[in-house]
Amino acid sequence: NAGVMQNPRHLVRRRGQEARLRCSPMKGHSHVYWYRQLPEEGLKFMVYLQKENIIDESGMPKERFSAEFPKEGPSILRIQQVVRGDSAAYFCATSLMNTEAFFGQGTRLTVV
Amino acid sequence: AQSVTQPDIHITVSEGASLELRCNYSYGATPYLFWYVQSPGQGLQLLLKYFSGDTLVQGIKGFEAEFKRSQSSFNLRKPSVHWSDAAEYFCAVAPYSGAGSYQLTFGKGTKLSVIP
Repeated sequence: NAGVMQNPRHLVRRRGQEARLRCSPMKGHSHVYWYRQLPEEGLKFMVYLQKENIIDESGMPKERFSAEFPKEGPSILRIQQVVRGDSAAYFCATSLMNTEAFFGQGTRLTVV
Repeated sequence: AQSVTQPDIHITVSEGASLELRCNYSYGATPYLFWYVQSPGQGLQLLLKYFSGDTLVQGIKGFEAEFKRSQSSFNLRKPSVHWSDAAEYFCAVAPYSGAGSYQLTFGKGTKLSVIP
């Protein structure tokens, strides 16, 4: 009974590179939420997806960030041309319909 | 827009002492309310949640929380703290959504230190 799996756990990227963060939901979960946690801050909502659809991306930066949740495979959060300010912990949470969300362990992104 | 305030950034208690972590929320209606715990370098674990009904909710690890509508508060309590409770605690709210969305708004967290 695997929980929400995120990989990689730690990711180091140079400025200007791309970062791809993966989130495999718990079995049967079709709702995925991505959150970002900056140092000394709580988690901030980024995007909410259901299978093949972006439902709410009001928390996503307008440029360089994108997310997808394909019919098959994990959800991907993609950050193009990373900058130092993107360094943070990125968490995904997944849920069934009308249930609370379960969090993954997070991916800690460091931009050098 | 909803917001969550955790007034205490850092709290230190002695092992065996009681604990109360404060949480106030701002929302037009009664939201869903949650407390999560995060150990260093780890993800978030749900301690307890309130959706409706009894305003005193019991959670895991001996924690409980009380919803007070008149004060817009959802404070977390534990009668006797253990050293393993040292972690960061986050209060969160989610609006009721018939579409099944549980988009959470988090407070900034309270870091708990426990003195042996």
